[in-house]
Amino acid sequence: SQKIEQNSEALNIQEGKTATLTCNYTNYSPAYLQWYRQDPGRGPVFLLLIRENEKEKRKERLKVTFDTTLKQSLFHITASQPADSATYLCALDVSGGSYIPTFGRGTSLIVHP
Amino acid sequence: DAGVIQSPRHEVTEMGQEVTLRCKPISGHDYLFWYRQTMMRGLELLIYFNNNVPIDDSGMPEDRFSAKMPNASFSTLKIQPSEPRDSAVYFCASTPGPSTDTQYFGPGTRLTVL
Repeated sequence: SQKIEQNSEALNIQEGKTATLTCNYTNYSPAYLQWYRQDPGRGPVFLLLIRENEKEKRKERLKVTFDTTLKQSLFHITASQPADSATYLCALDVSGGSYIPTFGRGTSLIVHP
Repeated sequence: DAGVIQSPRHEVTEMGQEVTLRCKPISGHDYLFWYRQTMMRGLELLIYFNNNVPIDDSGMPEDRFSAKMPNASFSTLKIQPSEPRDSAVYFCASTPGPSTDTQYFGPGTRLTVL
């Protein structure tokens, strides 16, 4: 079956450390993958997009990698801060060519001061 | 721009009642999406429009759900009759073009059906 998997358990880390979140997928060949941040009571907010021909993308303290062989994306937040605490969702196109993203269920990140 | 606007923010209703959720997309965005989010199923796409025309409604759970977009600045999602299992947060999102573009989400409507 086709699945997008994100760790359902919350990730707890100490302030200043690097947080690494994982998005795995099966039976898709997405043209792109997106990462979103969602705070409680709010809609998701777009962070980064990485295309299938890109290995890595960076934006300030954020870094995303995309390994189409492993069917995995890693999302890193360096020098994490308590304000980074949120749920992070990955999304990818599962209907090759329709460019409509399908979302994973997200992983909660908690950064402790 | 004020972003995507949704109303109401919270809705509590009784089973069997009609519920109408409203969305105003960002001006100039050609695509509008309706999503439903629950703890069990995550964020699910219900339907999306391109230039006010419904393109894919395969995510609409059943005939009790309907969506319209009478013009470029307004869309509704209606549930009639509502059931307790419809309780969820409903999000509207818009994008300027094909969905490799950023999706801009509204604040959501939290629906509780008693």
